[in-house]
Formats: sequence, structure tokens, C-alpha cells
Amino acid sequence: GAGVSQSPSNKVTEKGKDVELRCDPISGHTALYWYRQRLGQGLEFLIYFQGNSAPDKSGLPSDRFSAERTGESVSTLTIQRTQQEDSAVYLCASSLRTGAGETQYFGPGTRLLVL
Amino acid sequence: QKEVEQDPGPLSVPEGAIVSLNCTYSNSAFQYFMWYRQYSRKGPELLMYTYSSGNKEDGRFTAQVDKSSKYISLFIRDSQPSDSATYLCAMKGNSYKLIFGSGTRLLVRP
Repeated sequence: GAGVSQSPSNKVTEKGKDVELRCDPISGHTALYWYRQRLGQGLEFLIYFQGNSAPDKSGLPSDRFSAERTGESVSTLTIQRTQQEDSAVYLCASSLRTGAGETQYFGPGTRLLVL
Repeated sequence: QKEVEQDPGPLSVPEGAIVSLNCTYSNSAFQYFMWYRQYSRKGPELLMYTYSSGNKEDGRFTAQVDKSSKYISLFIRDSQPSDSATYLCAMKGNSYKLIFGSGTRLLVRP
């Protein structure tokens, strides 16, 4: 079956502009995660959605970052007034359920470059 | 100090060599330990998943967890050029939050 998909695969924007990144999780997966990966770094947790529960936004680095998810489907990550330090790969993952033993499956990421 | 430490490499080995990749961690609450492989310009893919201490083998890959030392390892036997990638360790306690190492770049030379 189809894996996690993300769009666009690459995004170049000017400092100060807003960007919107999209994630389509694996069908039937109730949990969805966003991560950020800076060059040469590991993945940083940004936000987590589980069903209709309130999302865990504890990893969002500033109030310029927000995310939404419609039910158990598509999610969008929005970065307002982008800064050069926002340049990174933004990765989305989904898992069947929530639980410490659940496996997270990753999409290919969106490469964001802020000029 | 980071919760998970991983040598960034790069690690360069000849084809057929045994590769050892390692991570150390500081949080004794971690119970689930994973290794992800990430090819250039791709998302991470899960290679190995281990709960608590012990060894797990899958083909040419062996994962080891030593909770007493807070040390995990991934061994790759008979390494192939197609194994060239970045290997990320990841771990978690009783929650969904994965904590990642920074990744080790591996190059297997033909």
C-alpha cells in the first residue's frame, strides 16, 4: 500500500513569506507526527496528532509555527514569516495507533530553503 | 548534554567489512530502541526495533541494547555498497516521543 506522502518535495521561499507543507499519512493510521531535521542533525519533534484529541504542540519552536489535521487524514504545517534558520527538512510520520511500542513510518520530507 | 549521542562519522569501510554503529544515552526511562536508515534525500526507514536489553538479529543486521551501560549498537555483517546511508538511532520511554541521535554517515566502498 501507499506510504506517507509529503508535498511539495522542495520549497524555496524568501524570508518573511509564509509556507504551507502537506502530509498524507498511511490510510488508517490514527497518529501523525511532524519532525524537523536540520543539516547534519537528528530529528527534532515538532507536533503530534492523535485522532480527535488535542495535539501535543510542545515541540513547536515558536508561535510562527502551527499545524492542523483534518480528522485522521491530511495534515498541514504552516510557517509564518519564515526566517533563514527555518531552512531544514520537515518530515512527517504516522503510526497505526498511539503507544510506546508503535512504529512510526516516515515520509520523504519537504526540503525548505529560506533565502 | 544531548539525551542521545551518536558519532556523526563519516565511517568508510570496504565492501564485506563488519560495521559497528553506536549510540549512548542518558535517560534511564528509555525502553524502546530503534535504528533507522536514511538514504540521501529520503525519509528514514525503520531497520531494527528492540525492547529493553538484549540482542535482535535480522539477516545481516544485529541490534544490541545494554541498558546498564546506556549503550546501543547496530552491527552490519558483509556490508554492501547499498548499505551506504545515514544510520539514525532513536529511542523512547512510555510515550510516543522519539528522541533521535544525530546520525552516522556510512560509506561502503566497492
